Amino acid sequence: AQTVTQSQPEMSVQEAETVTLSCTYDTSENNYYLFWYKQPPSRQMILVIRQEAYKQQNATENRFSVNFQKAAKSFSLKISDSQLGDTAMYFCAFMDNSNYQLIWGAGTKLIIKP
Amino acid sequence: EPEVTQTPSHQVTQMGQEVILRCVPISNHLYFYWYRQILGQKVEFLVSFYNNEISEKSEIFDDQFSVERPDGSNFTLKIRSTKLEDSAMYFCASRGPGGRYEQYFGPGTRLTVT
Repeated sequence: AQTVTQSQPEMSVQEAETVTLSCTYDTSENNYYLFWYKQPPSRQMILVIRQEAYKQQNATENRFSVNFQKAAKSFSLKISDSQLGDTAMYFCAFMDNSNYQLIWGAGTKLIIKP
Repeated sequence: EPEVTQTPSHQVTQMGQEVILRCVPISNHLYFYWYRQILGQKVEFLVSFYNNEISEKSEIFDDQFSVERPDGSNFTLKIRSTKLEDSAMYFCASRGPGGRYEQYFGPGTRLTVT
């Protein structure tokens, strides 16, 4: 069974700094998808960024980028120039292309300090 | 931008009562999901639905749960006889046709069973 591990329960950085959130996963599949979702205090689940496992190029969305290391089964999220509005829980999630269920990590609480 | 909507935002019910949680997925999406998040715990997959039938369901999705797409727009989750441990945030998600794999989430319904 696939598992997703986020080893950092909580992180805090100063506004404008860069922060990296870690995620590792375990799977025997070769084709799958990885996601980072943001959950602010409103508890809405917002898709931040996605990565297809067959793509070697790391995904980037504005200030958000990933470091996808397929052999190491690692999928970290880098937030550049962090803003107060980035304060939220961040969840890493895995999806294989057989059933399209999302398997979730436990989350990292990110606090951006002014 | 189209979005998934859920009603109610918060439902309080007594143990043993039936509840129906409602979702309106994005209009051209074909795949629908329910997840739940017990406070402080991981998000868990409940069920996926496609072409008017359940595609996959988890061990959590036992006989007290059911899903329905009654009118081509709404997607509902019914819990027949609620238990205290059903208290959680329930998220609906939908996914587009073809090769689209991203799931878009509604704002969630907070269910409190007393």
